[in-house]
Formats: sequence, structure tokens, C-alpha cells
Amino acid sequence: DVKVTQSSRYLVKRTGEKVFLECVQDMDHENMFWYRQDPGLGLRLIYFSYDVKMKEKGDIPEGYSVSREKKERFSLILESASTNQTSMYLCASTTFYWTGDGNTIYFGEGSWLTVV
Amino acid sequence: AQKVTQAQTEISVVEKEDVTLDCVYETRDTTYYLFWYKQPPSGELVFLIRRNSFDEQNEISGRYSWNFQKSTSSFNFTITASQVVDSAVYFCALSRGSSNYQLIWGAGTKLIIKP
Repeated sequence: DVKVTQSSRYLVKRTGEKVFLECVQDMDHENMFWYRQDPGLGLRLIYFSYDVKMKEKGDIPEGYSVSREKKERFSLILESASTNQTSMYLCASTTFYWTGDGNTIYFGEGSWLTVV
Repeated sequence: AQKVTQAQTEISVVEKEDVTLDCVYETRDTTYYLFWYKQPPSGELVFLIRRNSFDEQNEISGRYSWNFQKSTSSFNFTITASQVVDSAVYFCALSRGSSNYQLIWGAGTKLIIKP
């Protein structure tokens, strides 16, 4: 079965801390994404990566960076966490080579980050 | 600019009622995809359907049905004979062009089914 695993389900961090959110997929997908989800705003794309060491900014990259050293792993980094980064973070992966009418995007269970 | 509007922030119905979740989109692309996802309280997004812009056939899957109308740029989702397990946040999303993965998301509709 397809699996996207986010390392932490719930985190509480202090303002100014460096925060790492890890995501691993076991499907050999080329593309990986980090989204932020806030009530009333839906999902907003922070960064995505279409290959190892490749990354592109999404709609709201400010205050975040990412790392993709291995194909299966995509990390989101908050260099200096702030209270306005309190949110739910979702990782997703997809392949370029999809067929049929089924699902094309696979999501992790989400990481709830609270910055105090 | 591309946009997805889910005007219903929250809907509450009694079990066994039918309920329709609205989704209106804006795009200038001729080829695009529309999606619906369900997010139960556990947080994981569950895929429901993907529809391409050239296929306006309505889709039915058990108690779920979707009505795609390009003329009104709408892709509405109906649950027939709702159940408490249908309680969740439902998201509609639009692809950026023919990409199958770069999506623009609606704000979501929270559906509450009361027993």
C-alpha cells in the first residue's frame, strides 16, 4: 500500500527555535510537496521538489526552507519558528507517470505544530 | 487567475438527509483536472474523485455523486442518505493546467451529520 509518513504528529516549539518536519514516501515518487493548512484558507503550497536536490517555491515560502537529499525524503525547515507558523503541515507525493482515473496525490497524516 | 470557491463554510444536516457541497472554479486553461478530497478528524486527506475537463459525465459511486458543469464552472458533490461517518471537511481542488499534482485548493466545507 502507498505510504507517506510524517515523522511527528504533534509538536510544540518555542519562538525562535529551529524546527524540522520530516516526510518519507515509499512509492519512488519524483515529486514531493509541503502544504500548510489553516481554517478557512484550505491548503497552501509552501515548497515542492521534483527531483533530488531540486526545489521550487510555492505560494507561501517565506519563513521556510526545504531539503531533499534522497528521493524518498523531503524535509521542511523553519529556521526561526514564529507564532504565526502555528498550523497543520501536510506532506504529499506524486509521480509524473500516472495512469487511469484514480488518485494521483498521496498525503501524509499531517503534523500539528504549535509555536509558543 | 485560477481560483476555487467553496462558499459553504459549514453545513449541518440530520442523518439520512441528502446534502450537496458546492464548488465553483475559475481557470483559463482548456485542459485541467478537478478533485474532491475528504478530511476526517484524523487529518489525513482521502481522495474521492478526479475529473478531467473533457469529461462532463456525472459520476456516481455508492452514496456519492458529482455533477460537473463547464457552462457554470461548477463541480458539485452530493451525498445521498448521509451518515454520521460522512462528517468531515471536504475540499475541492483545481489543477494548474494539465498538471496532475499542482493544485489550487478551495477553503473547504465542514460537514456535520447529526444522528
